[in-house]
Amino acid sequence: LAKTTQPISMDSYEGQEVNITCSHNNIATNDYITWYQQFPSQGPRFIIQGYKTKVTNEVASLFIPADRKSSTLSLPRVSLSDTAVYYCLPPRDFGNEKLTFGTGTRLTIIP
Amino acid sequence: EPEVTQTPSHQVTQMGQEVILRCVPISNHLYFYWYRQILGQKVEFLVSFYNNEISEKSEIFDDQFSVERPDGSNFTLKIRSTKLEDSAMYFCASSWAGAYEQYFGPGTRLTVT
Repeated sequence: LAKTTQPISMDSYEGQEVNITCSHNNIATNDYITWYQQFPSQGPRFIIQGYKTKVTNEVASLFIPADRKSSTLSLPRVSLSDTAVYYCLPPRDFGNEKLTFGTGTRLTIIP
Repeated sequence: EPEVTQTPSHQVTQMGQEVILRCVPISNHLYFYWYRQILGQKVEFLVSFYNNEISEKSEIFDDQFSVERPDGSNFTLKIRSTKLEDSAMYFCASSWAGAYEQYFGPGTRLTVT
């Protein structure tokens, strides 16, 4: 089972681009990379998922290099409301439905 | 946009009492889940439910816990005899089969005194 490693915390100023990198050295050939976001006192929320290269949606972009041993979640022009914990989830075991959350990266946006 | 709802938002109970936490998953989802998060700690998986039976459960989900889908819309988590360490935020989630994208509810904060 692939494990993920990401920074415990990050600070950024409003208006900047924030990049959170996750390493997943043991990722298997058919595993996807999934990121969730959790605001204070709320349930986690799916942000984005990718397999290779680049994926973009209305919330974020996900960059995955060719070796797929890491991925970078990019949040463009952050605002105070982007203050949250961001989780890079390890792939699930085959046949399992559960999500496994680590400690995530606590992102604090400074005005 | 459809969403998962949970009631109550906050439940206070005495140790040893039974509690039932309620959830209404998104209507056309097939998989249902309960997770919990003790204050300041990780989100932990408790149980998944599919086709009217438990499909997976964690070590936390012992005999004190049970889940039920009593009708076509509700999904409940029962704790028979609460302990102080059951105090946590309990999140219900639902998804399509096999999807990484699970939709979480706002949570029920359970406080056991």
